[in-house]
Amino acid sequence: DIQMTQSPSSLSASVGDRVTITCQASQDISNYLNWYQQKPGKAPKLLIYDASNLETGVPSRFSGSGSGTDFTFTISSLQPEDIATYYCQQYDNLGLTFGGGTKVEIK
Amino acid sequence: QVQLQESGPGLVKPSQTLSLTCTVSGGSISSGSYYWSWIRQPAGKGLEWIGRIYTSGSTNYNPSLKSRVTISVDTSKNQFSLKLSSVTAADTAVYYCARDNYSSSWYVHDYWGQGTLVTVSS
Repeated sequence: DIQMTQSPSSLSASVGDRVTITCQASQDISNYLNWYQQKPGKAPKLLIYDASNLETGVPSRFSGSGSGTDFTFTISSLQPEDIATYYCQQYDNLGLTFGGGTKVEIK
Repeated sequence: QVQLQESGPGLVKPSQTLSLTCTVSGGSISSGSYYWSWIRQPAGKGLEWIGRIYTSGSTNYNPSLKSRVTISVDTSKNQFSLKLSSVTAADTAVYYCARDNYSSSWYVHDYWGQGTLVTVSS
């Protein structure tokens, strides 16, 4: 099984700050990585797919990068509406695995 | 616009079988090339992928749950279902169904149900 280690588990930042979340795979997953945003009481929403591709309609302040085992998710300028938990997810021909999540709060 | 809606008992007794159905509207479950997944989330915890089914009926399951999970599809009703046997309190969670879209280079859950809480308790 491929394990996904996401860090930090939580962070607090000010509006306008740059926020970075990392996700590490237990083995090479090429670019097969997604990022989802989940707000309280809601289903997750796809933000980034294939490691760096922005889903249609998602603000450009969100971005993703990386390949192989190390990936990064960035919010370039944190907004109040970005308060949520963010999850990375890998996919291969056998199935899918989520990272543990990062809860983002406003300082 | 595709919509998914989970349904089923909100309370299941320990050792029994949890059964949920996801009804798809706004499109045929058998049209296009999609997988259909179940994902769960215990209160205050992260997401766990349970398994998926293709419209042909082929399935893949999370290895940690494989011995207890069955996912099936009923194209005549535009539904797919989850059965999880021998449940314990650890299976208490919000259960989501989702449509999986994919290409040769990406794979995403692009539509989700709103989720349904299942509590395992006597």
